[in-house]
Amino acid sequence: AQTVTQSQPEMSVQEAETVTLSCTYDTSESNYYLFWYKQPPSRQMILVIRQEAYKQQNATENRFSVNFQKAAKSFSLKISDSQLGDTAMYFCAFMKTRIASGSRLTFGEGTQLTVNP
Amino acid sequence: DTAVSQTPKYLVTQMGNDKSIKCEQNLGHDTMYWYKQDSKKFLKIMFSYNNKELIINETVPNRFSPKSPDKAHLNLHINSLELGDSAVYFCASSPSEGAQYFGPGTRLLVL
Repeated sequence: AQTVTQSQPEMSVQEAETVTLSCTYDTSESNYYLFWYKQPPSRQMILVIRQEAYKQQNATENRFSVNFQKAAKSFSLKISDSQLGDTAMYFCAFMKTRIASGSRLTFGEGTQLTVNP
Repeated sequence: DTAVSQTPKYLVTQMGNDKSIKCEQNLGHDTMYWYKQDSKKFLKIMFSYNNKELIINETVPNRFSPKSPDKAHLNLHINSLELGDSAVYFCASSPSEGAQYFGPGTRLLVL
């Protein structure tokens, strides 16, 4: 079974600074997907960024980028120029490819990020 | 033009009652899911349907019964509600392979 670990239950950052959230996972699969989801106080789960394991290039979405280290099974999220609206719980998630499973997401425990003015 | 919608958003009910949560997606996705988020915010898969066929059925009490009348809808019916069922229930959908998109969640409180 896959496991996802987020070792930082809480983090804080000053507005306009950069912050990195950590995620490690354990799997015997060679092909899979990794995601970061954001859950603000509104409770909505919002997809932030995705990474396919077969792609060596790290994914980037505007101020959000990942550092994907396949051998180390590490998938960290970097948020640049942090904004107050980035305050949320961030979840790292793993998904095996479709053929291997019913595409369930396995989530980490989450990291509560607070952006301070 | 909401992508994944759930009703109701809030549900307060007494122990022993039966309740349903409805989910609809207009993204044209093949697969839909139910996840449960507990009081510690941990998210766990409950069920998944692909084109109306049940493909994931986690270890969930059989008081929980999903139903998919068509591939755009996935409902969750819960019989004989218990205090421990209090949680946020999320519906999600995805294409054949790719990211899952979540509904706004239904906060269920069993008294």
